[in-house]
Amino acid sequence: AQKITQTQPGMFVQEKEAVTLDCTYDTSDQSYGLFWYKQPSSGEMIFLIYQGSYDEQNATEGRYSLNFQKARKSANLVISASQLGDSAMYFCAMRDNNYGQNFVFGPGTRLSVLP
Amino acid sequence: DSGVTQTPKHLITATGQRVTLRCSPRSGDLSVYWYQQSLDQGLQFLIQYYNGEERAKGNILERFSAQQFPDLHSELNLSSLELGDSALYFCASSPGTGSGGAKNIQYFGAGTRLSVL
Repeated sequence: AQKITQTQPGMFVQEKEAVTLDCTYDTSDQSYGLFWYKQPSSGEMIFLIYQGSYDEQNATEGRYSLNFQKARKSANLVISASQLGDSAMYFCAMRDNNYGQNFVFGPGTRLSVLP
Repeated sequence: DSGVTQTPKHLITATGQRVTLRCSPRSGDLSVYWYQQSLDQGLQFLIQYYNGEERAKGNILERFSAQQFPDLHSELNLSSLELGDSALYFCASSPGTGSGGAKNIQYFGAGTRLSVL
């Protein structure tokens, strides 16, 4: 069964606008971690933000924030004030103890920022 | 720069050959992970080593093997290569075993792009 779902294969956003990238996950574990990574066209995987399942506050890192809704099993990434350099693939990933504590990645969302 | 170093950046080889990909983790990180990213399979976890010992196995083929050396660098060996092995291979590292909390953040190298002709 697919563990991570990213329903938006591609997204467009105007420069300086905010954008939300969706991620839903499936786990029966109570302790898990959720991660977002960015992959620009150059290919490297860049860590953006982390949310633990027991964290009460939504994670924030600069222009990135994670809208964590545990009951709905969603962990959406919000990018504020989009920049041209934000154009990339974005992957949601989960670590849970039922999967050997290793990462499962979603299929990704390609974000294009328009000038 | 994540601090994880992978060499080579690109590798072109022929079917049936064997190659070795190398990874140096971030300073102080004890865990090394290998992933394969292909167009049809997405990002797949292959194997994890922690402080020299195999910790977890994912979708790694029997033709593939890995090890982590005492200096904590790791090598991924791919043998009897097939066209379908063409992919981007990532190494990642983290401080701990991967068992929870912020210690479990994995930092990725730039990847090795393997082309099998």
